[in-house]
Amino acid sequence: DTGVSQDPRHKITKRGQNVTFRCDPISEHNRLYWYRQTLGQGPEFLTYFQNEAQLEKSRLLSDRFSAERPKGSFSTLEIQRTEQGDSAMYLCASSPRPGQGDTGELFFGEGSRLTVL
Amino acid sequence: QKEVEQDPGPLSVPEGAIVSLNCTYSNSAFQYFMWYRQYSRKGPELLMYTYSSGNKEDGRFTAQVDKSSKYISLFIRDSQPSDSATYLCAVNTDKLIFGTGTRLQVFP
Repeated sequence: DTGVSQDPRHKITKRGQNVTFRCDPISEHNRLYWYRQTLGQGPEFLTYFQNEAQLEKSRLLSDRFSAERPKGSFSTLEIQRTEQGDSAMYLCASSPRPGQGDTGELFFGEGSRLTVL
Repeated sequence: QKEVEQDPGPLSVPEGAIVSLNCTYSNSAFQYFMWYRQYSRKGPELLMYTYSSGNKEDGRFTAQVDKSSKYISLFIRDSQPSDSATYLCAVNTDKLIFGTGTRLQVFP
């Protein structure tokens, strides 16, 4: 299967600890997105990359959050000093470069669920 | 005001019913409209995609956009228990902006 892959699927941590999530996009996709989804809500945009360049960050992304996409391939999302309010599903998505028949469709992974105790 | 508003439901219907799911959006500049389906503990997947106003049909699913009233609809005909999921409307700028999602339950 060559879909979007996320790891770990589930992470339980204590408040104050750091966590890191990894996303491997579909190989020919240049754009990579991170979203956060809490129970009963739709996904909320956090940030996105075009290749290795981080093009936009949401105001939701506090300074405890950092995302990287070295070499324009996989991406990591790190949360420092976790808080209980960070408990959510973190979704990664990828899409082809605009202009290549781009419908704007995002292809999502199955998410990394974070529980902060 | 949120950019995309959606009634969260839940909506419970018997098998075979026609389901109508709706969203409103705030920015008249939006041109691309999508419906994603999300099963429990899975990532969302694209169901329907519409550009500008009008209808689009795909099997039992019809997506409708009315730009004059900033209204997006998804109709499901002959609903099946396998349609039970959360349905998310979205508008596309350079990223997707989602509604809250409507949870649908189709019972046999």
